[in-house]
Amino acid sequence: EPEVTQTPSHQVTQMGQEVILRCVPISNHLYFYWYRQILGQKVEFLVSFYNNEISEKSEIFDDQFSVERPDGSNFTLKIRSTKLEDSAMYFCASSEMGTTVRSPLHFGNGTRLTVT
Amino acid sequence: AQSVSQHNHHVILSEAASLELGCNYSYGGTVNLFWYVQYPGQHLQLLLKYFSGDPLVKGIKGFEAEFIKSKFSFNLRKPSVQWSDTAEYFCAVNAMGTGAGNNRKLIWGLGTSLAVNP
Repeated sequence: EPEVTQTPSHQVTQMGQEVILRCVPISNHLYFYWYRQILGQKVEFLVSFYNNEISEKSEIFDDQFSVERPDGSNFTLKIRSTKLEDSAMYFCASSEMGTTVRSPLHFGNGTRLTVT
Repeated sequence: AQSVSQHNHHVILSEAASLELGCNYSYGGTVNLFWYVQYPGQHLQLLLKYFSGDPLVKGIKGFEAEFIKSKFSFNLRKPSVQWSDTAEYFCAVNAMGTGAGNNRKLIWGLGTSLAVNP
């Protein structure tokens, strides 16, 4: 069964550094997402991406965040200047269609980001 | 604002016990409802989903959930749990409201950690 893959599984970085989290969505999927889960808190929506542009973003997704699909397979989340509060598990997801009803999200294993 | 509440944060059961995990949401309109599971060290996986029709939904691994619209609930059940059901369980809601964005994001509960003792 095809899977969403994320790398690295764990990233440790110093405050103020830039990080790039990488995701390879399922190949025939058209919609891509980033969610995050701060330890002990709910999974939170960050951003959705379709047709090479952001289709929706949450208030968490400020100017420090950006997403990109640099080629036909990768989908990246960049945090320009990390803060301590960015420490979280970041999940990438993809879906074949836009609505979650007929095409649920498929998630990667997540990247645990630790900002020190 | 839309929200999802899962009442049980930690549940410990013995094998063969019955399971019911509560999930309530706040949204007055049409919703699509999901239960996801995350086994230790693995990714989030869809257990089951409801979008219309029979409010009793059957998912993988013997799980089922019942949508009760009047109670804004979507509780997850399994008649007899196994040790392999030890995992984190998340309820999520997709509110079918107005606006282009509402169809594409899920609102999540805090999750319930289930430990099944052999």
